[in-house]
Amino acid sequence: GDSVTQMEGPVTLSEEACLTINCTYTATGYPSLFWYVQYPGEGLQLLLKATKADDKGSNKGFEATYRKETTSFHLEKGSVQVSDSAVYFCALSDTSNSGYALNFGKGTSLLVTP
Amino acid sequence: IAGITQAPTSQILAAGRRMTLRCTQDMRHNAMYWYRQDLGLGLRLIHYSNTAGTTGKGEVPDGYSVSRANTDDFPLTLASAVPSQTSVYFCASSDATHGQFFGPGTRLTVL
Repeated sequence: GDSVTQMEGPVTLSEEACLTINCTYTATGYPSLFWYVQYPGEGLQLLLKATKADDKGSNKGFEATYRKETTSFHLEKGSVQVSDSAVYFCALSDTSNSGYALNFGKGTSLLVTP
Repeated sequence: IAGITQAPTSQILAAGRRMTLRCTQDMRHNAMYWYRQDLGLGLRLIHYSNTAGTTGKGEVPDGYSVSRANTDDFPLTLASAVPSQTSVYFCASSDATHGQFFGPGTRLTVL
């Protein structure tokens, strides 16, 4: 079935450093791709999404581009802040399922230090 | 607008006991989901419902049941809890265009 693989953490960065979290996917169809963020003690929040090849999702300074040729959806930010410390999940909409259920990666923990 | 609420926030449960986790959304989304989150495993789909009156099995449905009597509510029941069901449980809902919205989660410990 469809699946997502994302880089393992934890990732530790200094404030204002550049961030890249890699995410690749396997899908038989044409899934939508998502990045979710989970702050400590909270539920998941949608960070950004892309619904077709070459789409770029962006929000709060984060970006990710849907690359069909490399089956990737890497999350990037040019200058991270301490408040970006969280766990980030890459996900895709499972085309084999009914509805809009998501397949998630295992999550990447990001710690940004002052 | 509350979005999605879950209850209880946390629970400690003896093995063998029955437990129902509650989930309510006020966004009139047709689709709802239950996931469990375990360290190193990410989120795994337990059950889903595309619309009121229908349900389906996800990746890890064994030991869990759901019902969808109306659009707003999607309770998850553990008929006889086991320690391997210790986890954080998230309910979510979605429409066709905006992705999934998650509740705050229920932390369940089965002893």
